[in-house]
Amino acid sequence: GIQVEQSPPDLILQEGANSTLRCNFSDSVNNLQWFHQNPWGQLINLFYIPSGTKQNGRLSATTVATERYSLLYISSSQTTDSGVYFCAVAPETGTASKLTFGTGTRLQVTL
Amino acid sequence: NAGVTQTPKFQVLKTGQSMTLQCAQDMNHEYMSWYRQDPGMGLRLIHYSVGAGITDQGEVPNGYNVSRSTTEDFPLRLLSAAPSQTSVYFCATLRRQGNSPLHFGNGTRLTVT
Repeated sequence: GIQVEQSPPDLILQEGANSTLRCNFSDSVNNLQWFHQNPWGQLINLFYIPSGTKQNGRLSATTVATERYSLLYISSSQTTDSGVYFCAVAPETGTASKLTFGTGTRLQVTL
Repeated sequence: NAGVTQTPKFQVLKTGQSMTLQCAQDMNHEYMSWYRQDPGMGLRLIHYSVGAGITDQGEVPNGYNVSRSTTEDFPLRLLSAAPSQTSVYFCATLRRQGNSPLHFGNGTRLTVT
């Protein structure tokens, strides 16, 4: 099946710093989503982005489908950004609902 | 609007017991799925459904059973619980149309002793 690798696995930032999280995938996709899991365990969808660039406030994401990677940018980080960020993809040849998740990037934002 | 509701929130089982994790949605989404989350392993797909009456296996289906008799409900059954099934279980829904985000329930934390 499709492989998803996220980097870095762990990241510690001071409040106000910027960061870039990366998601590499091994096959063409028809669905790519980014999620934030907060410290209480809730999974929140950040972006649906199988290609192109999107922005939502301090967060933005870019997927370069031809090169099989996606980037999540967090600018001016805040302590509320702490948690785990997951990338999930579904291969072009399969159903869009059959998403495979990476193992995540754990982000800690300190004061 | 409740979204995706999972019950119970917490459950402790003894090895060999059976139980059903409930998932209900009120968004009329066609797709529903079950994931388990274990430390360091991200989320892994157990079973999924693209509509009422249709289910299929995901990456880790062994020891679990599902059915989808209505659009709203997608229960996950543990037939004979094992300690390896200790995990956090998430139900998720997705609209069949494009550009649709995956919506998660708040999870069920299951411990098997």
